[in-house]
Amino acid sequence: QVQLQQWGAGLLKPSETLSLTCAVNGWSFTNYYVSWIRQSPGQGLEWIAEINDSGSASYNPSLKGRVTMSVDTSRNQFSLNLTSVTVADTAVYYCARSIWGRHPPYFYYYMDVWGKGTAVTVSS
Amino acid sequence: SSELTQDPAVSVALGQTVRITCQGDSLRTYYASWFQQKPGQAPILVFYGKNNRPSGIPDRFSGSSSGNTASLTIAGAQAEDEADYYCNSRDSSDNRGVFGTGTKVTVL
Repeated sequence: QVQLQQWGAGLLKPSETLSLTCAVNGWSFTNYYVSWIRQSPGQGLEWIAEINDSGSASYNPSLKGRVTMSVDTSRNQFSLNLTSVTVADTAVYYCARSIWGRHPPYFYYYMDVWGKGTAVTVSS
Repeated sequence: SSELTQDPAVSVALGQTVRITCQGDSLRTYYASWFQQKPGQAPILVFYGKNNRPSGIPDRFSGSSSGNTASLTIAGAQAEDEADYYCNSRDSSDNRGVFGTGTKVTVL
């Protein structure tokens, strides 16, 4: 079964580092990307970052260099680190499988498999 | 601009048709994808690309695109379609994903 299993610390203090891991189950992430998305309480979805199996990553500029993603191909796992967290980083964090390509004259981009989400609270 | 704008809320009578729109410059280059999210659950992909529905998504969900606007139509809305809906695209200028502001659909 195609799945993403995610985990990480759910309670952090301001200035600490958020670390989450997403494991691929039932599929090979060759030719796919894995993205991280978050949703603050009562708010919409925010794209955070993505990475492919080669380690090529893109990040949301709004996170101002605090975010990094890494990939461990031997374990089929992706990780997200967000440094210097504040209460504004309190959210449910999701990982998702991303697919993008070209269908002339347009491109397509979508996320078809999602993890269940990890609730992260930042509080002093 | 990389923003995707959606109407905050729409309502539809049971069995009627509702269209949700998403506007943004990135939609001139990328097809939108659409997600349904119910309270406390992860989003679910309901439509993507030019004309694609994931397995298990009812055919009452359809999508279209024109210029900078993408639309998701629910034909014959059911009570279980009541949810938040988000569009998604990609900003090619800074190579990142972007989500719409979300539309809350209420089925009356």
